[in-house]
Amino acid sequence: NAGVMQNPRHLVRRRGQEARLRCSPMKGHSHVYWYRQLPEEGLKFMVYLQKENIIDESGMPKERFSAEFPKEGPSILRIQQVVRGDSAAYFCASSPLGRNTEAFFGQGTRLTVV
Amino acid sequence: AQTVTQSQPEMSVQEAETVTLSCTYDTSESDYYLFWYKQPPSRQMILVIRQEAYKQQNATENRFSVNFQKAAKSFSLKISDSQLGDAAMYFCAYSGTASKLTFGTGTRLQVML
Repeated sequence: NAGVMQNPRHLVRRRGQEARLRCSPMKGHSHVYWYRQLPEEGLKFMVYLQKENIIDESGMPKERFSAEFPKEGPSILRIQQVVRGDSAAYFCASSPLGRNTEAFFGQGTRLTVV
Repeated sequence: AQTVTQSQPEMSVQEAETVTLSCTYDTSESDYYLFWYKQPPSRQMILVIRQEAYKQQNATENRFSVNFQKAAKSFSLKISDSQLGDAAMYFCAYSGTASKLTFGTGTRLQVML
């Protein structure tokens, strides 16, 4: 049973480009969470999704950021028109239940905006 | 809103000794979970230990144990017989009815030979 898979591991984008981060949850997990970790800081919640539904997006910036978790395929975190301040590690976690009792994390995607 | 505070940015311990990492939290909820995660240089977030708030007994996982003081809203992590591989960032986290995890700012643990 493969763990949570995130790709790419490293992503470099120029200012103004789009970044797409992918997360494939563990088999049997239908709940996905995205977190952002700025350098030397803890992880901050961004969004919680179930298949085809956004459950909680209270941590998502109002502009340029969006997330989806389609019926088929991975969850996608999309950042449009990236700026230097978007440089961070983005982590995905999945769980089989709605409560974060058994959340498993991917290895993260490190986004660098140049 | 729930908050998690880790007041020790850095800690060090001698190999084979015991170290305690502190964590306090603030919540008005009665049903919640508390976690300690380890983040080594690889950045992988590894669950170390989990405590359910309604359980009075402190959780234990091999060399790792917690001191859960619900009334004081304190959740410290004790690492016994420290090993070089324990060196990492340690994050305390809270999960309540909102389901998401709220993390502290982390404690960097160094293990000395």
